[in-house]
Amino acid sequence: QVQLQESGPGLVKPSETLSLTCTVSGYSISSGYYWGWIRQPPGKGLEWIGRIYHSGTTYYNPSLKSRVTISVDTSKNQFSLKLSSVTAADTAVYYCARVGSSGNHLDYWGQGTLVTVSS
Amino acid sequence: QSALTQPASVSGSPGQSITISCTGTSSDVGSYNLVSWYQQHPGKAPKLMIYEGSKRPSGVSNRFSGSKSGNTASLTISGLQAEDEADYYCCSYAGNWVFGGGTKLTVL
Repeated sequence: QVQLQESGPGLVKPSETLSLTCTVSGYSISSGYYWGWIRQPPGKGLEWIGRIYHSGTTYYNPSLKSRVTISVDTSKNQFSLKLSSVTAADTAVYYCARVGSSGNHLDYWGQGTLVTVSS
Repeated sequence: QSALTQPASVSGSPGQSITISCTGTSSDVGSYNLVSWYQQHPGKAPKLMIYEGSKRPSGVSNRFSGSKSGNTASLTISGLQAEDEADYYCCSYAGNWVFGGGTKLTVL
């Protein structure tokens, strides 16, 4: 059974960089699939952030592209998210997920982690 | 890309059927049959219910079905049960993902 778990600071100061890691168990990232990040502001809908392949190929939401970096560490079976110059608008629950085999849906999700941007 | 349009809320009684619509454009929903649907209970992660318009992942009840007509995709839940009460999000893939605003389903 594929399982994903997000980890990282729950509080980030404005203008700083948000950093989160997703640890995957039950499946080796090196074996394939894309892996993605999605966020959900409190009480609001879902927003796709970006995705990465085990080779390091990335695709980002155009609206966040200038601030987002997603990387992968296959030796630790982890992938990570960095979002720079954060503001209160970046306060959200951040989810990591696996992209399904056909590449167009998200079949396994982490439980999510709340990141609050505040001084 | 703009968010897909979903009704804010729908409701139904146990045993009834309901349909949630998801309207996009000819550039996303209308161009590809790559809409997925996610169920989210309060405080929980989204769960994939339908992908590629009408396919059900293993373990998802056949009470859930998906369809598409033009620029609008739909999720139908038949034989409503109390446990179906949740938020539902549609999502269209056209190189990038764009989500709908979500629909709150209330089981009366």
